[in-house]
Amino acid sequence: KNEVEQSPQNLTAQEGEFITINCSYSVGISALHWLQQHPGGGIVSLFMLSSGKKKHGRLIATINIQEKHSSLHITASHPRDSAVYICAVDNTGNQFYFGTGTSLTVIP
Amino acid sequence: DAGITQSPRHKVTETGTPVTLRCHQTENHRYMYWYRQDPGHGLRLIHYSYGVKDTDKGEVSDGYSVSRSKTEDFLLTLESATSSQTSVYFCAISEGQRGYYEQYFGPGTRLTVT
Repeated sequence: KNEVEQSPQNLTAQEGEFITINCSYSVGISALHWLQQHPGGGIVSLFMLSSGKKKHGRLIATINIQEKHSSLHITASHPRDSAVYICAVDNTGNQFYFGTGTSLTVIP
Repeated sequence: DAGITQSPRHKVTETGTPVTLRCHQTENHRYMYWYRQDPGHGLRLIHYSYGVKDTDKGEVSDGYSVSRSKTEDFLLTLESATSSQTSVYFCAISEGQRGYYEQYFGPGTRLTVT
């Protein structure tokens, strides 16, 4: 059983489209993290959130604690957004769980 | 970008040989982590450190050992490499416990055990 499930696993979009990646989790959490892994392999932390919504540029992350669900939105998508997006949660028992990632390809 | 380097970046070794991977940070962060990443799996924690000489096991620690003699360096050792340890290894750092602080990742080391 995976504590973190992401959907979709793979996503292809046209440049300019609005993109949503979903993350559901089954454990109580203290925080949820969104990470971006570039095609070259490097991993960057995008957001850490425990409630509500955060925005950075064209990226928006939301979390609903009651529903144990988070979404990552990308507005006006661009080919440089092509990457694997990883959701991870830290539960209140100090365990940390990673999703397997959503592979996004944005076509010009 | 957080100052994290990993060495080597690529390594091919034979089964049964010892291998040491190095993670070096210039941020003076207290926590350091070693993860492995394999297809079909999320990142999995091997070991972590919460200070000099303070380390603990993660979920996939069998076959690995670590050492941290200085704040800036965290070493991962495969005492006798096996083909199942072929993977991409990432080091990460954080100021405090990873549930409360962002993690910053190194560039990764691709290890192939033949």
